[in-house]
Amino acid sequence: DAGVIQSPRHEVTEMGQEVTLRCKPISGHNSLFWYRQTMMRGLELLIYFNNNVPIDDSGMPEDRFSAKMPNASFSTLKIQPSEPRDSAVYFCASTFGDRLAETYEQYFGPGTRLTVT
Amino acid sequence: GQQVMQIPQYQHVQEGEDFTTYCNSSTTLSNIQWYKQRPGGHPVFLIQLVKSGEVKKQKRLTFQFGEAKKNSSLHITATQTTDVGTYFCASAKSWGKLQFGAGTQVVVTP
Repeated sequence: DAGVIQSPRHEVTEMGQEVTLRCKPISGHNSLFWYRQTMMRGLELLIYFNNNVPIDDSGMPEDRFSAKMPNASFSTLKIQPSEPRDSAVYFCASTFGDRLAETYEQYFGPGTRLTVT
Repeated sequence: GQQVMQIPQYQHVQEGEDFTTYCNSSTTLSNIQWYKQRPGGHPVFLIQLVKSGEVKKQKRLTFQFGEAKKNSSLHITATQTTDVGTYFCASAKSWGKLQFGAGTQVVVTP
């Protein structure tokens, strides 16, 4: 298995531009997570999906952020318009999860390093 | 909400020395996971602890879950430069969600 795939690996954009980050989870996993990591705030959970349905988006910082999971093998995180404070590394992770809190390890993608100038 | 607190935030270790990092919670945890993130890399799963008092070893790494399931520790013996990175503990929630601690950043000096 190729693991969790994220694209692009690096993104540099100007303030006000739309940014779309992409993630392909590991086949067979039914939970997908989007995280943001900065030096100041550490690793923050933005949103997560179970069976393609958003379960909790309380970590999404603002309405400028949106995420979709149209099918089990693809998810996007969009920022529109982007701002310099959105600069961070964005990770996607997947696992198999269910309501009963049976837990399995999360597999993280390599991340997208976003720089907004 | 429930949080896991990690201490110390930073750990400077001389190569060859031992050190321990701790993960504490005010509430009982169903289980605890540990991850390692190398500089410039992504978090990688190390281990999961489920049972009260559980101890697991991976070569020079020893993981322990407290009897009350409110704390956990990671002990590394004979630290090597390959141990550099940030170690996160995380408590598990439903749907596979994890609540991550802030991490312990480990720097190893030769």
